[in-house]
Amino acid sequence: DSGVTQTPKHLITATGQRVTLRCSPRSGDLSVYWYQQSLDQGLQFLIQYYNGEERAKGNILERFSAQQFPDLHSELNLSSLELGDSALYFCASSGGLAGASRGELFFGEGSRLTVL
Amino acid sequence: AQSVSQHNHHVILSEAASLELGCNYSYGGTVNLFWYVQYPGQHLQLLLKYFSGDPLVKGIKGFEAEFIKSKFSFNLRKPSVQWSDTAEYFCAVNARNRDDKIIFGKGTRLHILP
Repeated sequence: DSGVTQTPKHLITATGQRVTLRCSPRSGDLSVYWYQQSLDQGLQFLIQYYNGEERAKGNILERFSAQQFPDLHSELNLSSLELGDSALYFCASSGGLAGASRGELFFGEGSRLTVL
Repeated sequence: AQSVSQHNHHVILSEAASLELGCNYSYGGTVNLFWYVQYPGQHLQLLLKYFSGDPLVKGIKGFEAEFIKSKFSFNLRKPSVQWSDTAEYFCAVNARNRDDKIIFGKGTRLHILP
């Protein structure tokens, strides 16, 4: 058990819909990372938050947004869903900035999104 | 922008065979390098990491990796694999002192035959 909790584990929805994925980091971790894993693209970095503020952004679509709340949990919002958004979405946490925390990420078990 | 390339998408070996998984990164500055592993049905976990110092780093379960700066490589090795090493292996890079992105390669699925 990594200490990172993601909900829901599985989600099936239709095109055009909106979903919210939730992540609770390890106790005390300030950074939350979101990744999208698909068969053809591998593990794609989406976005990172540190103590409530956006710190780094990757290939995140404009239809996607995220935030980190004062209690440090994070949510990834996916809207106007398309078939190609079907993937496994991972959340990871770390103790601080990558340099300071020495970069070890603790991953949740992922949320599997299926868009029909 | 930094990127990571893993040479092999799928590797099949017999138990006791030696393993080497290739990883190359593209970034001209100083980097932190990682290998993560995802066993079937489990979450990704850190196998080993390199920040500075001895370019040969040792991780858990007998794995090691060598950082060769001139080749922008960080290959993962194990002298003798076991069936329990069946998993997906991800190389990752962070451009130190630039930002907090940790970029992963597409992964290598390793299947060990008993």
